[in-house]
Amino acid sequence: DQQVKQNSPSLSVQEGRISILNCDYTNSMFDYFLWYKKYPAEGPTFLISISSIKDKNEDGRFTVFLNKSAKHLSLHIVPSQPGDSAVYFCAADNAGGTSYGKLTFGQGTILTVHP
Amino acid sequence: GAGVSQSPSNKVTEKGKDVELRCDPISGHTALYWYRQRLGQGLEFLIYFQGNSAPDKSGLPSDRFSAERTGESVSTLTIQRTQQEDSAVYLCASSLVPGGSFGGYTFGSGTRLTVV
Repeated sequence: DQQVKQNSPSLSVQEGRISILNCDYTNSMFDYFLWYKKYPAEGPTFLISISSIKDKNEDGRFTVFLNKSAKHLSLHIVPSQPGDSAVYFCAADNAGGTSYGKLTFGQGTILTVHP
Repeated sequence: GAGVSQSPSNKVTEKGKDVELRCDPISGHTALYWYRQRLGQGLEFLIYFQGNSAPDKSGLPSDRFSAERTGESVSTLTIQRTQQEDSAVYLCASSLVPGGSFGGYTFGSGTRLTVV
């Protein structure tokens, strides 16, 4: 029972273009969402997050959009750079409950940005 | 140290043997988490520590898995009688306070466990 799904295992984008990574969730109790980035042989690093009271959060080249009715979020990277090539994980939390930071992760999407 | 440190970075073990994986969290971080990532899958929650207590062990797959934390610092994940399906990258993360998800918590680089 996968509560957080990233249906695209991989994405290939040209440098300078937009990268759009998608994530769907099924548990309506999730109210906080995060994106992590992972390079090979390293642990995931936090990238950006969004609370369910918002529909957009922006940080430099990274923007996360949340569509609660569709239970869908996306990460936009503009412009994409070769250094953005990594695995991107979507994660969700029930922060409004008795949360202590237990996250539910998607399977990840491998992003490759070509020069 | 500056980050979360895990050892060993790689471990190959024979089926049926016991293994111990170690995590040194960031100094002062009271919350500590263990996750694992099997090939082609997302990260699965295993256990959460607040201080030396483990209020949530719900992700431990079987009674072959156990974990402890001492001195509100180092944590050890032990897998007894390893099976091939235990092969995965085991990741440890820590945060200053529980609910570190609001700012994201800090992961270590993981231990890649291969059971042959």
